[in-house]
Amino acid sequence: AQKVTQAQTEISVVEKEDVTLDCVYETRDTTYYLFWYKQPPSGELVFLIRRNSFDEQNEISGRYSWNFQKSTSSFNFTITASQVVDSAVYFCALRPASGGSYIPTFGRGTSLIVHP
Amino acid sequence: DGGITQSPKYLFRKEGQNVTLSCEQNLNHDAMYWYRQDPGQGLRLIYYSQIVNDFQKGDIAEGYSVSREKKESFPLTVTSAQKNPTAFYLCASSSPGQQFGKLFFGSGTQLSVL
Repeated sequence: AQKVTQAQTEISVVEKEDVTLDCVYETRDTTYYLFWYKQPPSGELVFLIRRNSFDEQNEISGRYSWNFQKSTSSFNFTITASQVVDSAVYFCALRPASGGSYIPTFGRGTSLIVHP
Repeated sequence: DGGITQSPKYLFRKEGQNVTLSCEQNLNHDAMYWYRQDPGQGLRLIYYSQIVNDFQKGDIAEGYSVSREKKESFPLTVTSAQKNPTAFYLCASSSPGQQFGKLFFGSGTQLSVL
């Protein structure tokens, strides 16, 4: 069985602060994909990143960065110099890469509020 | 532009009534999914379909039904058996191609009980 835990229910920061959203996962699969999605107030989830389980390189995209550590089963997401437009609910998700039905499992989400 | 269209954006259900949520995609994706979102609960899978004329129950299928007669369409019916239907419903699709695993989402339908 797969499980994704986002322990932080809500985070509140002031603009320009750095913020890290935690994601811890459990899986018995040897190969899998990890994802982050952003859900702004409009409701539609937007894909941010996909990481393969065999690729532990960290990734940076502008103000966003992701730290994947297989040893601790974590896939944390950091926003540097946060902005009000970053306010949203962020979901971490896990999906097997082979076998089974390829159904993704989502965490409960972390609501990020960035104050001006 | 390719994408997923959900309608209506807001829907109200009376006691004992069945209602149907529409989901249409023009991405040529084989797999489609329905999720239910409640505050603080994350996304829970209701039904999914990996190919036309086939669908499988997700974690919370009771009180819901679906059909997949066309690749582009995956409507969800919330039946009167679903006693607590108030939630935000999201439809998604995915392709096994280059973007394997990535889900594309619609903008959702908020269902409320009158």
